Amino acid sequence: GDSVTQMEGPVTLSEEAFLTINCTYTATGYPSLFWYVQYPGEGLQLLLKATKADDKGSNKGFEATYRKETTSFHLEKGSVQVSDSAVYFCALRIGGSQGNLIFGKGTKLSVKP
Amino acid sequence: EAQVTQNPRYLITVTGKKLTVTCSQNMNHEYMSWYRQDPGLGLRQIYYSMNVEVTDKGDVPEGYKVSRKEKRNFPLILESPSPNQTSLYFCASRQGWPDNEQFFGPGTRLTVL
Repeated sequence: GDSVTQMEGPVTLSEEAFLTINCTYTATGYPSLFWYVQYPGEGLQLLLKATKADDKGSNKGFEATYRKETTSFHLEKGSVQVSDSAVYFCALRIGGSQGNLIFGKGTKLSVKP
Repeated sequence: EAQVTQNPRYLITVTGKKLTVTCSQNMNHEYMSWYRQDPGLGLRQIYYSMNVEVTDKGDVPEGYKVSRKEKRNFPLILESPSPNQTSLYFCASRQGWPDNEQFFGPGTRLTVL
């Protein structure tokens, strides 16, 4: 069945370091792909999305490119800040009008000053 | 302010005592969903609703019930809670198109003793 695999965390970085969080997926057809972020004590928020192959989603300095050939949607940011400390979830939208999301297990990022 | 609200935010209860977690959204969204978040498992969908009086099972529906009598409300009912339902629960809503952002509530932390 459809699934999402994220790199295991936690990830600890120093401020201004480069961030990559790997995400790969298994799906029939061509799913839409999302990154959601969960700040401490809060619900999830959409960070970015891409709905077709080679699309690049971007927001708040984060980017991810939908790579169909490698079934990947890796999240990157050139220079992280302490305020980026959160849990990041990769997700795919399975086919059909329901639009249900399948989430990865999440990757916890801690950024130290 | 556009938001999804959940109540209660925290609940400790005992095995077998029926409980309801309420969810309400003020954005006139058709789609609503319940998830549970567990360490190492990410978010898993319990039930979803495409519109009033239309509900369907997600990936982990056992032990839960829902209803959608009004567009804004989507309560989650645990008729006979068990300790394995101890978890963090999130309600979410979305405007019609499947690739639209899902808006999440702040979460309900449930402990079943």
